Amino acid sequence: EVQLVESGGGLVQPGGSLRLSCAASGFTFSSYWMHWVRQAPGKGLVWVSRINSDGSSTSYADSVKGRFTISRDNAKNTLYLQMNSLRAEDTAVYYCARDRQEGTVTTNFGYWGQGTLVTVSS
Amino acid sequence: EIVLTQSPATLSLSPGERATLSCRASQSVSSYLAWYQQKPGQAPRLLIYDASNRATGIPARFSGSGSGTDFTLTISSLEPEDFAVYYCQQRSNWPPGFGQGTRLEIK
Repeated sequence: EVQLVESGGGLVQPGGSLRLSCAASGFTFSSYWMHWVRQAPGKGLVWVSRINSDGSSTSYADSVKGRFTISRDNAKNTLYLQMNSLRAEDTAVYYCARDRQEGTVTTNFGYWGQGTLVTVSS
Repeated sequence: EIVLTQSPATLSLSPGERATLSCRASQSVSSYLAWYQQKPGQAPRLLIYDASNRATGIPARFSGSGSGTDFTLTISSLEPEDFAVYYCQQRSNWPPGFGQGTRLEIK
């Protein structure tokens, strides 16, 4: 069974940093592109970032470019999102999601974690 | 950036009825459109990808159609567990984006 379990969320002051983790199991982690998608309270879904299967290629939404860094450790089956210079508008539930198809990127989100809440407030 | 507009914002129906949800793109996305279902307090779930392909484990009452700029998600006969928020998502142009959602509520 595919499982994605996020952790690392919490309350942080504006300008602060946080690192999210997503522990993957039930599939060959190193064969899939992975994504982060966020959802502000009561709002819709917004794609944040993606990383290829070996970690050599990354992409970001303009709203987080230069502040967030996606990475992965295939030996630990774990995805990360380092978030720096956090703003109030970054407040959201952050979901990690597995790409739909093995070995390529479709930018469809076939499996999702349960999400972790990040609150940016003073 | 492509804008996806979903309609209606809220749809009120009864179990057993047919639901038709619409997603319109501001420019063509070919067939690169997906649909997701999200229940309160849960993560989204992929229902349909590339306009008309059901994802693994999705019941046959869910179907998708359309191409270019106009897409439809149809639920042929609503079950109680189908009442949720539905989002469309395009992967044709950068960046990938979602519609604002349609809330399907029990009448």
